[in-house]
Amino acid sequence: DAKTTQPNSMESNEEEPVHLPCNHSTISGTDYIHWYRQLPSQGPEYVIHGLTSNVNNRMASLAIAEDRKSSTLILHRATLRDAAVYYCILQETSGSRLTFGEGTQLTVNP
Amino acid sequence: NAGVTQTPKFQVLKTGQSMTLQCAQDMNHEYMSWYRQDPGMGLRLIHYSVGAGITDQGEVPNGYNVSRSTTEDFPLRLLSAAPSQTSVYFCASSRNRDGYGYTFGSGTRLTVV
Repeated sequence: DAKTTQPNSMESNEEEPVHLPCNHSTISGTDYIHWYRQLPSQGPEYVIHGLTSNVNNRMASLAIAEDRKSSTLILHRATLRDAAVYYCILQETSGSRLTFGEGTQLTVNP
Repeated sequence: NAGVTQTPKFQVLKTGQSMTLQCAQDMNHEYMSWYRQDPGMGLRLIHYSVGAGITDQGEVPNGYNVSRSTTEDFPLRLLSAAPSQTSVYFCASSRNRDGYGYTFGSGTRLTVV
């Protein structure tokens, strides 16, 4: 299974941009990159996904390296409500499961 | 509100007891799955279903059974509870199996004593 590597924790200040990195050097050509986040005492929440091109939505942006061996989730202006564990996940080519790692705990300071 | 509903929210079982965790979704999603999350860890897939009448095993299926008789419901059965099954259980659904746009329930916190 292709795996991802994320920092255990990161800190940011409120209203500043946050760049959450993810390494996936063994990604295959058809694997999608998904980002989910989990707020305290809640189930995970879908954030964004992409294959090759950079993606934007109302929550965040996803920047994917040209060789696809890494990606970065960008929160443009962090708020206190963005404090969560962020998971970078590769979808297996079978399409039948999401494999969650331990994620990055993001702390947002006021 | 549309979404994934899990019941109960909390449960304490004695070792050897059986129970069923309920999961229901009202979005007409074909794909449903069960995960468990142990303290400080990510989620691990237990079982999943790609449609009514079709189920398959995930990463950690031992000790759990599932069935999918309707599109809406995907119950998870613990046959004989063990302390190692103490965890938070999450149910998720999506329109298809492609991995994006999963909707998760709020979880069931299970303690086996």
